[in-house]
Amino acid sequence: EPEVTQTPSHQVTQMGQEVILRCVPISNHLYFYWYRQILGQKVEFLVSFYNNEISEKSEIFDDQFSVERPDGSNFTLKIRSTKLEDSAMYFCASSEAVVSLYNSPLHFGNGTRLTVT
Amino acid sequence: AQTVTQSQPEMSVQEAETVTLSCTYDTSESDYYLFWYKQPPSRQMILVIRQEAYKQQNATENRFSVNFQKAAKSFSLKISDSQLGDAAMYFCAYKQGGSQGNLIFGKGTKLSVKP
Repeated sequence: EPEVTQTPSHQVTQMGQEVILRCVPISNHLYFYWYRQILGQKVEFLVSFYNNEISEKSEIFDDQFSVERPDGSNFTLKIRSTKLEDSAMYFCASSEAVVSLYNSPLHFGNGTRLTVT
Repeated sequence: AQTVTQSQPEMSVQEAETVTLSCTYDTSESDYYLFWYKQPPSRQMILVIRQEAYKQQNATENRFSVNFQKAAKSFSLKISDSQLGDAAMYFCAYKQGGSQGNLIFGKGTKLSVKP
């Protein structure tokens, strides 16, 4: 069964450094998402992406964050200048179509644990 | 703003028994979707079951079923014939109709299954 893959599984970075988290969505999916989960807390929506542009984003997704689909397979999340509070598990997800319209479920990756020191 | 509440941080069930996980939500919208996701130690979020708010019939997927009480804004998950592999974190999630995948999650319930 096709799945969403994320790399690396764990990344450690120093405060102030830029970090790029990588995801390969399921190949025929058109919608892409990033979520994060701070340890012990809820999973939180960051951003959704369709047709090479952001379609929806949360308050968490400020100017420090950006997303990109640099080629036909990868979907990346960049954090420009990491802060201690960015430490979290970051989940990439994809869906075949709009979740609401066609009841298309989100398929999540295994996550990347980001530790900012 | 919409919120999702899971009042049981941890639950335990004996193998082969039935367990119910609670979830309540708050919304003023009429068009929305509800989901239960499972997160095993492997960390991957796996969709267990989903429910459209406009459907009165409770969703069922094999051993998993929901009790959707729209007026009470309640969406509980029942796991029948519990198996060791059901042990995981379970997250209830809400999505407003028209939103592209912006799921609002509860804090989760950690389910343990005793052999």
